[in-house]
Amino acid sequence: EAQVTQNPRYLITVTGKKLTVTCSQNMNHEYMSWYRQDPGLGLRQIYYSMNVEVTDKGDVPEGYKVSRKEKRNFPLILESPSPNQTSLYFCASSLNRGLETQYFGPGTRLLVL
Amino acid sequence: GESVGLHLPTLSVQEGDNSIINCAYSNSASDYFIWYKQESGKGPQFIIDIRSNMDKRQGQRVTVLLNKTVKHLSLQIAATQPGDSAVYFCAEAIIQGAQKLVFGQGTRLTINP
Repeated sequence: EAQVTQNPRYLITVTGKKLTVTCSQNMNHEYMSWYRQDPGLGLRQIYYSMNVEVTDKGDVPEGYKVSRKEKRNFPLILESPSPNQTSLYFCASSLNRGLETQYFGPGTRLLVL
Repeated sequence: GESVGLHLPTLSVQEGDNSIINCAYSNSASDYFIWYKQESGKGPQFIIDIRSNMDKRQGQRVTVLLNKTVKHLSLQIAATQPGDSAVYFCAEAIIQGAQKLVFGQGTRLTINP
């Protein structure tokens, strides 16, 4: 089954404790992206990657890092989480530049205390 | 600056009626527009898209209209069913240069029996 998986699905952490949210897709997609979703603000892009070792900032990259060492994985790293990073995070992938067929993961709900 | 917004945050319709969800955008350079459906606890799911050189596109029970003159996008759902209850997002896609999606805030569609 074609899918995007994220782990963990739910996470409670404390300020400053480094964490990583994993994202994996099994569709051999080149394009992958991370979004955060906040009430009243919709989905905002954090980082995206057009291929292995190619990443770029989205609209809200501050406080986040990503890496793309393999085609299927695109982890989101919070080196020093802060309460304003409490949010619902979605990973997405699509084939080539086909944003219209972007598949979203199930989401990771993060609470930073 | 770029922005995509929705006229109404909530919409209630009777089962069997047609639903119309509206969206305004501000970036004339967007390449195409996409409608997503997000059910509770899930990631956004692609519904339909439309290229910037088109003004209408039809899918199964859905129609998207694009009016570039007034920068307006709408999603029409025919014969609304209970399963259509969700939050609907419009997004504008820019694939030249920085490839990204800009999402609107979303409209919650509820179906009255």
